[in-house]
Amino acid sequence: GENVEQHPSTLSVQEGDSAVIKCTYSDSASNYFPWYKQELGKRPQLIIDIRSNVGEKKDQRIAVTLNKTAKHFSLHITETQPEDSAVYFCAADSSASKIIFGSGTRLSIRP
Amino acid sequence: NAGVMQNPRHLVRRRGQEARLRCSPMKGHSHVYWYRQLPEEGLKFMVYLQKENIIDESGMPKERFSAEFPKEGPSILRIQQVVRGDSAAYFCASSPQTSEYEQYFGPGTRLTVT
Repeated sequence: GENVEQHPSTLSVQEGDSAVIKCTYSDSASNYFPWYKQELGKRPQLIIDIRSNVGEKKDQRIAVTLNKTAKHFSLHITETQPEDSAVYFCAADSSASKIIFGSGTRLSIRP
Repeated sequence: NAGVMQNPRHLVRRRGQEARLRCSPMKGHSHVYWYRQLPEEGLKFMVYLQKENIIDESGMPKERFSAEFPKEGPSILRIQQVVRGDSAAYFCASSPQTSEYEQYFGPGTRLTVT
């Protein structure tokens, strides 16, 4: 069945450094790849998304890249700040119009 | 424009009781998705509904769980005869008809089975 794998499961970076989270997907028909941020006890919030006709998308300190041939996509956060600490989920749409989520990455920003 | 609403936010049930979780999508959204999240784990898809239709329920347990999205009123996720393993956060998300995949999440219902 459809699967999205996410790495690493935990990530700790120094404030001001960059953080990179990587995901792979199995369904070659996937065309939509959102990223969600979930703070402790809160709802997941969409932070950026990318569609298959684009290879890269940037929004201020956040960027996402997509390699459809290799079936992987990545989230890049530059100049990390304490408020970036959260769990981040990648996801990919499947042929049945549902979203399959990765297992999450717990990002900690060290002061 | 109010966001996705869920209630109750917290629900405590004894084993064997029924749990009813409600979700009101954002205004103008006709697609509703339910997810379950266990502590320290990811979001597991349960069911995808449009008004009066279940589109995909491949993530729903075959027994005790059901979902509906009537023509009027909120979407309901119903869990009959709850067991301790049902304790989790249940999130619903909605998306607009014109952009099927941009999902916006509600605050979740935290179900505790005692």
